[in-house]
Amino acid sequence: DADVTQTPRNRITKTGKRIMLECSQTKGHDRMYWYRQDPGLGLRLIYYSFDVKDINKGEISDGYSVSRQAQAKFSLSLESAIPNQTALYFCATSDLTGYEQYFGPGTRLTVT
Amino acid sequence: QKEVEQNSGPLSVPEGAIASLNCTYSDRVSQSFFWYRQYSGKSPELIMSIYSNGDKEDGRFTAQLNKASQYVSLLIRDSQPSDSATYLCAVNPGNSGYALNFGKGTSLLVTP
Repeated sequence: DADVTQTPRNRITKTGKRIMLECSQTKGHDRMYWYRQDPGLGLRLIYYSFDVKDINKGEISDGYSVSRQAQAKFSLSLESAIPNQTALYFCATSDLTGYEQYFGPGTRLTVT
Repeated sequence: QKEVEQNSGPLSVPEGAIASLNCTYSDRVSQSFFWYRQYSGKSPELIMSIYSNGDKEDGRFTAQLNKASQYVSLLIRDSQPSDSATYLCAVNPGNSGYALNFGKGTSLLVTP
């Protein structure tokens, strides 16, 4: 089984809808991250969490929120989706050093 | 803004040749450096990490780091068509143990 899983893998939604992307991991890592990837823009950090009680904004957090339900679960929400949030979303985990990050398979989100 | 720069490519090399991928970074206090391989539509996969000046070899891959020049490179020996992918350089800044700054990636094409 994969160490980092993401659901759904693909999602098409309409402008204004609320949507949640979920990430689970069995690596036993404390740190979890959400990135988005856009063609020509690379990977950009949305939010990261050091543990259940610690949530931090990344480079592009506007329009997003997160919830760390447990050490192994980290969810990303789009409160009111807009078309420019169409992207590939990745969850990643790392141990306490944060040095090596391991990525989930990604969620392809399309907002129409 | 901490910059990580890569030539977008595509870099085309014949099968069996050495592929050389380069990355420069702007944050002089950066401590940790990583290379990820990403196939189209897939998630980034960590293939090399390097923390000190010099060379680090792992199979056909060699990472090279020169902190004075703020330069990190990845050499792929005996390139195979299966190495065709986008290679992402990532840098962990020295003043934070959590976030990785990613370059936009170099597309590598290995031709049979």
